[in-house]
Amino acid sequence: AQSVAQPEDQVNVAEGNPLTVKCTYSVSGNPYLFWYVQYPNRGLQFLLKYITGDNLVKGSYGFEAEFNKSQTSFHLKKPSALVSDSALYFCAVRGNYGGATNKLIFGTGTLLAVQP
Amino acid sequence: EADIYQTPRYLVIGTGKKITLECSQTMGHDKMYWYQQDPGMELHLIHYSYGVNSTEKGDLSSESTVSRIRTEHFPLTLESARPSHTSQYLCASSLVEGLTSTDTQYFGPGTRLTVL
Repeated sequence: AQSVAQPEDQVNVAEGNPLTVKCTYSVSGNPYLFWYVQYPNRGLQFLLKYITGDNLVKGSYGFEAEFNKSQTSFHLKKPSALVSDSALYFCAVRGNYGGATNKLIFGTGTLLAVQP
Repeated sequence: EADIYQTPRYLVIGTGKKITLECSQTMGHDKMYWYQQDPGMELHLIHYSYGVNSTEKGDLSSESTVSRIRTEHFPLTLESARPSHTSQYLCASSLVEGLTSTDTQYFGPGTRLTVL
């Protein structure tokens, strides 16, 4: 069965410091991995995805994520955090085994708080 | 921002009322989804559709129903609202991207429903 874990409910970081939001997954076959961000009272915004190829994926707003197959991880990173990055971040996984029944499985979310 | 719209954004109603949450997208996406999310919590898939006249129940049991008569429109209906239905409802859509079907989902802004 597919699953995704975000081990931290909240991450606190000072503005200007690098940030990491962790995500690990379990899926049969090669995974499709996604990061979304949710601002208060809004829907989810797509940040980036890993399908295949380069393990380092670059996305919107300066975010990037590194796919590590051996550790089954897909951590979200940013070199220098901004206060405006404060939001709820969701990792999601989808198995790559074809068919119309594949659905995204979301993690429980990590609240990122960037202090000025 | 994705071209996917939800109305109303906020709704407060009394118990027993029938309500319809609207979702429409102008991207020509075949797949559409409804998620239920309590504030700051994970998303739960309650309905999805792979195209016109196709609807399926999701992972979380829901008393709501959906219809897909047109590609761009995927309304969700509650015949008799109850306080337990109080939540945020997020609509999403995705496009089958070639044979790999990566299914990047794009979300609407959500409807926050409160049933008194």
